[in-house]
Amino acid sequence: EVQLVESGGGLVKPGGSLRLSCAASGFSFSNAWMNWVRQAPGKGLEWVGRIKSKTDGGTTDYATPVSGRANISRDDSNKTFYLQMNSLKTEDTAVYYCTTAHYSSSWYGNDYWGQGTLVTVS
Amino acid sequence: NFILTQPHSVSESPGKTVIISCTGSSGSIASNYVQWYQQRPGSAPTTVIYDDNRRPSGVPDRFSGSIDSSSNSASLTISGLKTEDEADYYCQSYDGTNHVFGGGTKLTVL
Repeated sequence: EVQLVESGGGLVKPGGSLRLSCAASGFSFSNAWMNWVRQAPGKGLEWVGRIKSKTDGGTTDYATPVSGRANISRDDSNKTFYLQMNSLKTEDTAVYYCTTAHYSSSWYGNDYWGQGTLVTVS
Repeated sequence: NFILTQPHSVSESPGKTVIISCTGSSGSIASNYVQWYQQRPGSAPTTVIYDDNRRPSGVPDRFSGSIDSSSNSASLTISGLKTEDEADYYCQSYDGTNHVFGGGTKLTVL
């Protein structure tokens, strides 16, 4: 069974930093591309960024609103990946989900979602 | 920027059929796969359609997806509506690098 479990959310002041973690199980983590998607209160889903597998280069891509402030990394030995967010703004307040493709034909699906972790910037 | 546009809300009666559209702003929506997610209040999204028209295991065949290249849009069709289908639905595709989500459609079953 595929499981994604986020942690690390909480209350942080504007300008502060936070590191979120996502622990994965039930699939070949080292081969997977992993994403962060967020949802502000009462709003829609917004893709934050992605890290590819090391086999595919291990590179990262970020959405424009977080580019330069976000850093995604991965630890394949512990099946965990991370989102480091700096210079946090009130508009970063959201539930942050980790996602991955599993049965989709490309790595651009979000087949599985974690339960989310709430980040409040205030 | 590639944008996916969905209606803000739709409503229909139990037992009926509803179609939720997702229109691409540029290029061809058929160029990249479209996914659809269901999100009930207080819960994480779950996939109901992937790769344009495929259903994950456990999703009833009342849910179907399609692509219409002439209107550059994707559609999610839910037939035999049940009250449990009441939720927010999001389409998603990508622009070659980034995932792109539609704004979401609130489905009310009344």
